Amino acid sequence: GENVEQHPSTLSVQEGDSAVIKCTYSDSASNYFPWYKQELGKGPQLIIDIRSNVGEKKDQRIAVTLNKTAKHFSLHITETQPEDSAVYFCAASAGRYGGSQGNLIFGKGTKLSVKP
Amino acid sequence: NAGVTQTPKFQVLKTGQSMTLQCAQDMNHNSMYWYRQDPGMGLRLIYYSASEGTTDKGEVPNGYNVSRLNKREFSLRLESAAPSQTSVYFCASTVVQLNTEAFFGQGTRLTVV
Repeated sequence: GENVEQHPSTLSVQEGDSAVIKCTYSDSASNYFPWYKQELGKGPQLIIDIRSNVGEKKDQRIAVTLNKTAKHFSLHITETQPEDSAVYFCAASAGRYGGSQGNLIFGKGTKLSVKP
Repeated sequence: NAGVTQTPKFQVLKTGQSMTLQCAQDMNHNSMYWYRQDPGMGLRLIYYSASEGTTDKGEVPNGYNVSRLNKREFSLRLESAAPSQTSVYFCASTVVQLNTEAFFGQGTRLTVV
């Protein structure tokens, strides 16, 4: 089955700097790669996602890149702000209906701290 | 919009006690999920229901049972709680199982002593 590795587990940056979180996946059939942000005491919330037919996607200060050949994808946050401090999770799914292949498999998370 | 609602938010159980965690969504989603979150372990899937009337095991189903009561509600039952089940439990839903945004509830923090 799918396995998703996420690095680093913790990341501390100064306000205004960029932050990069990387994930690798094992199932070459995976075709959907979302990123979730979890603030303290809350459930995860989708911030951006990418599908396998696209190499990069941007939404204001957030971007995700996907390298299907290497089976890795990354989250880039530019001009970080204190409110970006949270735990970020990557995930992957193989996108096949039926059985467990359609379910999201999550990485272990990255705790991002943005220092003012 | 309420989205995904979980009850209770906090619970303390004694070893061997049973309880049911409730989850309801008001987005007319077809698929629902139960995850547990432990420090350093990310989100692990316990059970899922791809559509009303079906339930299937996820990655860590031992010690749990589920019921998809109707399209809106998906409950998780611990028949005989163990300290290893101390965790934060999240319910989530998606429009369909495939490649769509998952909406999560606020979580239930369960402690088994």
